[in-house]
This record gives sequence, structure tokens and C-alpha cells, in this order.
Amino acid sequence: DTTVKQNPRYKLARVGKPVNLICSQTMNHDTMYWYQKKPNQAPKLLLFYYDKILNREADTFEKFQSSRPNNSFCSLYIGSAGLEYSAMYLCASSRDGATEVFFGKGTRLTVV
Amino acid sequence: GDKVKQSPSALSLQEGTNSALRCNFSIAATTVQWFLQNPRGSLINLFYLVPGTKENGRLKSAFDSKESYSTLHIRDAQLEDSGTYFCAANNAGAKLTFGGGTRLTVRP
Repeated sequence: DTTVKQNPRYKLARVGKPVNLICSQTMNHDTMYWYQKKPNQAPKLLLFYYDKILNREADTFEKFQSSRPNNSFCSLYIGSAGLEYSAMYLCASSRDGATEVFFGKGTRLTVV
Repeated sequence: GDKVKQSPSALSLQEGTNSALRCNFSIAATTVQWFLQNPRGSLINLFYLVPGTKENGRLKSAFDSKESYSTLHIRDAQLEDSGTYFCAANNAGAKLTFGGGTRLTVRP
């Protein structure tokens, strides 16, 4: 099973409110990623966990937080949503960071 | 900068024809993946490549690490092949770097 599961599929949030997106995989993959995808743009890496070590991209460092309480589960947290956060959020995982990456179906976040 | 340059950015094909998409890398790519973005926005895995070639049905992909490029060939294009194709390179740094995508439209 190469499934990465994301919930919810669609989320509506108010400006200024927090947002928490969740992702799980049962492949025992060491590495889990969060990407942001906007229309007509390439997926943008926000952060990734290698085992318990969190790596955040420099330009999104302060905007997104994440937790990985166990190997299977990873969340993406936005403390105060702005309109610019409206996007598809894609979770992904890979066995050791250098092998094939598998993506979930995404959560489409709309901030109003 | 454009570490992964994908071309063309858009392509229109007549149903039944063949074409090729290309990615050029300015990073030392060790593996390459090709994805198709479906209408909902999800990314579907098409190919995972170390240097070499793979084929799956009407799709064939090649990755040449020495010349730093990868190609995706579509044979006998069908309407359902329409969508945005992305290539992505891994340079053994645990991160995929994506190209800008090719928006493919297949016409009846």
C-alpha cells in the first residue's frame, strides 16, 4: 500500500484563525513532507521531517509549523491564516529521503 | 533560480499523435520523478527513474544523469492524457525540486 492519507479533503478557514491539516502513512517511511500548490505554479516545499528532525524552508520558516508525534503521522499548522494561504496542501512521504516520493490527494484550503 | 527547467510550458496535441516533454537540470540529479496533476489538483506518480529508461503503456521516460535531462514521451495521445505534467529531481538531499510544469491539452 503506497497510500498517503490526508484529511480533510477540503477546508474552509477564516482570516486570522488557526488551521491544522493532518497526514498519515503506513509505509514506515522515514521522511514526510508538506508542499503548497497554487494554480499554475510548481509545488513548493514548505518543510519536511527526516525521522524526528524537522527541516523548514527559509522563506516559509515563520509561517508554518509541524509536528510528527510518531512515524506515521504528520501535521501542518498555520497559526493565523491569511488570504494568501489559500492553496492545495500536499503531504508526501519517502522511505529515506532519497527514494521515490508518494503524495497524498491533498487538502484544498480556502481562507475567507 | 530555475534548477529544473521544463519545456514546453504548454502543448496542444491532436488525439492519436505523439510528443515529448523535457526537463533540463542545473543540479546534480540522482533520481527523477514524473507526475500528472489531475483536475482536482492531486499529483499522480507516473515514473520514478534512476539513470535509464522506463515504459508504461503509452508512456516512456528516460533519464540521462550525465547530460542532466529527462524526457517523457507520450504515444498515441488520448483525451484523458490532458493535464499538467511535472518533473522533479532529487539530488540526494531528501528534497524534490520541481519543474514549472507542462500543461498538455489533447484535442479530439
